[in-house]
Amino acid sequence: DQQVKQNSPSLSVQEGRISILNCDYTNSMFDYFLWYKKYPAEGPTFLISISSIKDKNEDGRFTVFLNKSAKHLSLHIVPSQPGDSAVYFCAASYYSNYQLIWGAGTKLIIKP
Amino acid sequence: DAGVIQSPRHEVTEMGQEVTLRCKPISGHNSLFWYRQTMMRGLELLIYFNNNVPIDDSGMPEDRFSAKMPNASFSTLKIQPSEPRDSAVYFCATSRGGTDTQYFGPGTRLTVL
Repeated sequence: DQQVKQNSPSLSVQEGRISILNCDYTNSMFDYFLWYKKYPAEGPTFLISISSIKDKNEDGRFTVFLNKSAKHLSLHIVPSQPGDSAVYFCAASYYSNYQLIWGAGTKLIIKP
Repeated sequence: DAGVIQSPRHEVTEMGQEVTLRCKPISGHNSLFWYRQTMMRGLELLIYFNNNVPIDDSGMPEDRFSAKMPNASFSTLKIQPSEPRDSAVYFCATSRGGTDTQYFGPGTRLTVL
């Protein structure tokens, strides 16, 4: 049973526009969420995280929103750039637990 | 600062052969994770070490898989004997502590024929 779901396998966005990547989770015990970015032939790279005590966290062009009641988080990238083309993974954990539960990933393609 | 180093980057072997994957963590990182990524199952945690001690190996698929961390600078993941269904990308990740941000190596792409 998938506890972290990324229902869109891929997403195509025009350069300069906003990219919105979505992630849903089923376990209400999760209280820490992360986004990782992965280029081909490389390992995942940490992008941004959010604790359940917040509903928004921002870092430059990247903002993560958390809706606990809906068990939903999203990653916004504004403006989208060609270098943002990658696979994005959502992951969740209990704050005091090492284990990350991963989504399947969404492939983001930024069109010039 | 060097990141997590994994070797080899690619490994092609025949069924039944022993395979050893290697990982050098970031200096000062006390936690080390081995992951496997497949199309069917995505990223799965195989084993977690803290201060060189295996804490959780519940993700190791079966007895054919074993992992060691003899010191803070080196870990191995061994598959013996290998089978075609072991074909995957294997990642090593390390962090300062178990709950801190994990930094991934580039992965080893294993193909078992």
